[in-house]
Order: sequence, then C-alpha cells, then structure tokens
Amino acid sequence: DGGITQSPKYLFRKEGQNVTLSCEQNLNHDAMYWYRQDPGQGLRLIYYSQIVNDFQKGDIAEGYSVSREKKESFPLTVTSAQKNPTAFYLCASSIWDSDNEQFFGPGTRLTVL
Amino acid sequence: EDKVVQSPLSLVVHEGDTVTLNCSYEVTNFRSLLWYKQEKKAPTFLFMLTSSGIEKKSGRLSSILDKKELSSILNITATQTGDSAIYLCAVSFSSNTGKLIFGQGTTLQVKP
Repeated sequence: DGGITQSPKYLFRKEGQNVTLSCEQNLNHDAMYWYRQDPGQGLRLIYYSQIVNDFQKGDIAEGYSVSREKKESFPLTVTSAQKNPTAFYLCASSIWDSDNEQFFGPGTRLTVL
Repeated sequence: EDKVVQSPLSLVVHEGDTVTLNCSYEVTNFRSLLWYKQEKKAPTFLFMLTSSGIEKKSGRLSSILDKKELSSILNITATQTGDSAIYLCAVSFSSNTGKLIFGQGTTLQVKP
C-alpha cells in the first residue's frame, strides 16, 4: 500500500524536552512538508523539502528543526525553544513538478504537559 | 502578505440541505486553488482549480474558481451526515516553491 505514515499518533512531552515526529512515504515523491494545525487556524507550514539534503523554512519554523537524509523520510524535531508546541502536526508529500496536489499523513497530536 | 480566507468558519445544516462554502485569496503569483476535506485526521484532496469559470464536479460536490473576484466556492448538494468535516481551501504559487497557503477551514456539521 502506497502512502504516508506518521508516528506516533499521540505524543506527550514535558516542558524543556525535545521530541522527534516521524514521517515516512513510499510514494516516491520528491517534496515533503510539515504543517501545524491549531483550532480555527487552518494549516501553517513549518518546513518543506524539495530534494534530499535540502530544506527550507516555512512560515513558522522557529523552535523546529528537520532533516532530509533519505527521500522517504522527513522527521521533525520540536525543540524546547518552541514556546507553544501543543498542536496537531501533519506531514505531506507531493511530486515536485506537478500542480502541487499534496497527500497527507494521519497526523501526530503533541501535548506538552 | 499572502492570505486565504474562508467563510463561514462553521455551519450546521440538516441532511438534504445544500451548502455553499466560500474561499477568497489575496496572493501574488497565483497558480491554483485546492479544496481538501478533513474528517478526523488526514485531509483528503477534493479539487484543484486553475482556470476561471470551469466547474469541477464529483458526485454531489462541485467547485468553481473566479479569478476576477479572487475567490472560489464549494457546493455540496443533498448533504449527508458523512459530509460532516472541516473543508480546507489552499492556494499554490506560480513560482513553484511547492508551498501551499491554507485558509482557516470551514467546519460543517450535517445533522440527521
């Protein structure tokens, strides 16, 4: 089955801890994206990557970091510098040279205790 | 600043009603407008619109883009409880960065 997987589904973090959210795709897509979703605010772009070993900041990158060592994988680290990390995190991927239809994973809900 | 605005933010209807959701945008270098449906977790793709005035249709759902008015509507006829979801509108850019800017979403609840 082709698709995007995210893990874990739910994550609890204590203040001051870094946590890493996993995103894997087997769609052979070039581009991958991380979004944050808060109630009433739609999706906001954190980071995106067009190719392996390259990524760009989105609109709300502060307090987050990413890596893209493999085409299939785009993990997101939420650092202790992120002031309000409790949110729903969605990963997406797309064919780069397309009309930008993005396919989404099932999301990770992060709660800071 | 590029932005996408959806209205209404929430809507409650009864089964069988017809609904119209709105999306307006102010962006530089517009390329396309996309609609997604989000039920519980992953948004699923509905439509991509690039040309003004051409309606896209899928079953009871249809959508059209008006580039003059910088807006799009999503119509759902004969609504069913399974249509209850958040409907997201997003815009892409001709600079081909791959970025999408999303609106706030419209939460639709269809009551039996």
